Amino acid sequence: DTAVSQTPKYLVTQMGNDKSIKCEQNLGHDTMYWYKQDSKKFLKIMFSYNNKELIINETVPNRFSPKSPDKAHLNLHINSLELGDSAVYFCASSVVPRGGNTIYFGEGSWLTVV
Amino acid sequence: AQSVTQLGSHVSVSEGALVLLRCNYSSSVPPYLFWYVQYPNQGLQLLLKYTSAATLVKGINGFEAEFKKSETSFHLTKPSAHMSDAAEYFCAVSFTGANSKLTFGKGITLSVRP
Repeated sequence: DTAVSQTPKYLVTQMGNDKSIKCEQNLGHDTMYWYKQDSKKFLKIMFSYNNKELIINETVPNRFSPKSPDKAHLNLHINSLELGDSAVYFCASSVVPRGGNTIYFGEGSWLTVV
Repeated sequence: AQSVTQLGSHVSVSEGALVLLRCNYSSSVPPYLFWYVQYPNQGLQLLLKYTSAATLVKGINGFEAEFKKSETSFHLTKPSAHMSDAAEYFCAVSFTGANSKLTFGKGITLSVRP
């Protein structure tokens, strides 16, 4: 069984569209994250939720809206997609949001905006 | 602010040769340090982590890293490279406390020549 699974894996869409990426973890973790990997492979945290509560919100455009219906799920909705949103988006989870805890990553969602 | 520096963007070694990937950190508090590997078109997998126990940390796939506080380093090594080690390697840091986030270095590409 996949520990952190996200769908879709590949997504090609036009500028201006709205799209969502879904994520689920079956590890029983309390904390989930969204990371963005840009074209230069640089990874940066976007959001973190702990028990459905937003705890980290980096300087991300408000076109990006995460939603956590329960602690096993964290979805990412993106409005009015722009070319610069093309990236790989990784969902991840950890037991708790404390330093030293291992963060487990999903396989990534490759978003291409044309 | 905590950060990690991975010098260079690409390392190429021959199969069977020593692998050395460098990582230096900057932290005003004791750090937690991680090495992740990313194979092409896949997610990130934890190789090993340092959490203030033993300074020499052994990980998966024959990799190990040594925490050296005096040098603020956490270099990754493997005695003998395999073709299957070709991938992107990321060093990352987090710190003690609640809501700690994992901050990544820019990554380094390892190529293995036959």
